[in-house]
Amino acid sequence: NAGVTQTPKFQVLKTGQSMTLQCAQDMNHNSMYWYRQDPGMGLRLIYYSASEGTTDKGEVPNGYNVSRLNKREFSLRLESAAPSQTSVYFCASSQGRGGQETQYFGPGTRLLVL
Amino acid sequence: AQSVTQPDIHITVSEGASLELRCNYSYGATPYLFWYVQSPGQGLQLLLKYFSGDTLVQGIKGFEAEFKRSQSSFNLRKPSVHWSDAAEYFCAVAEGGYQKVTFGTGTKLQVIP
Repeated sequence: NAGVTQTPKFQVLKTGQSMTLQCAQDMNHNSMYWYRQDPGMGLRLIYYSASEGTTDKGEVPNGYNVSRLNKREFSLRLESAAPSQTSVYFCASSQGRGGQETQYFGPGTRLLVL
Repeated sequence: AQSVTQPDIHITVSEGASLELRCNYSYGATPYLFWYVQSPGQGLQLLLKYFSGDTLVQGIKGFEAEFKRSQSSFNLRKPSVHWSDAAEYFCAVAEGGYQKVTFGTGTKLQVIP
């Protein structure tokens, strides 16, 4: 099993460009998450999907959209990238939706917005 | 609102020495508590978690953590650190019935020979 995979690994964008970060999991998990990690701030939740067909905002959703394409895939879209979105983005999944669930993380996507 | 504080941004220990990483949380009821580790260039991996019961929790790679309700703490320990333990460690807190997990800002561990 590959676990949680993310593409691309690195990306450089110019301000105003758009892009989609892809995430897939092969563990048959119900819940999926997108986080961003910034120095000194830990991980902050952008959006999550408790189950296929549902998505909800997290702590920092502005400037992002998500799509739960199916049970395996959860994508994050930046419609008009801004330098403030320079960050490392992590996708995660868990079997259930509760806070007690262990989350399994992908390797991350490093995004630089110029 | 739940919150997590990791007061040490960076810690350096000698290989073979003991380790304790501090974590304090703020939450009304008994929380769900986690420690995750992030190796350079990698995603986070669960080390251990506490829900209820025995307040001393054993995890992978020889780590353990102790839940102290009176001190609102969940400190991570290891009796003898290996060079491969160099990584960033995150404490996290969650409510059982809800989706939200709050992560601390992390403690970066450096291991010197």
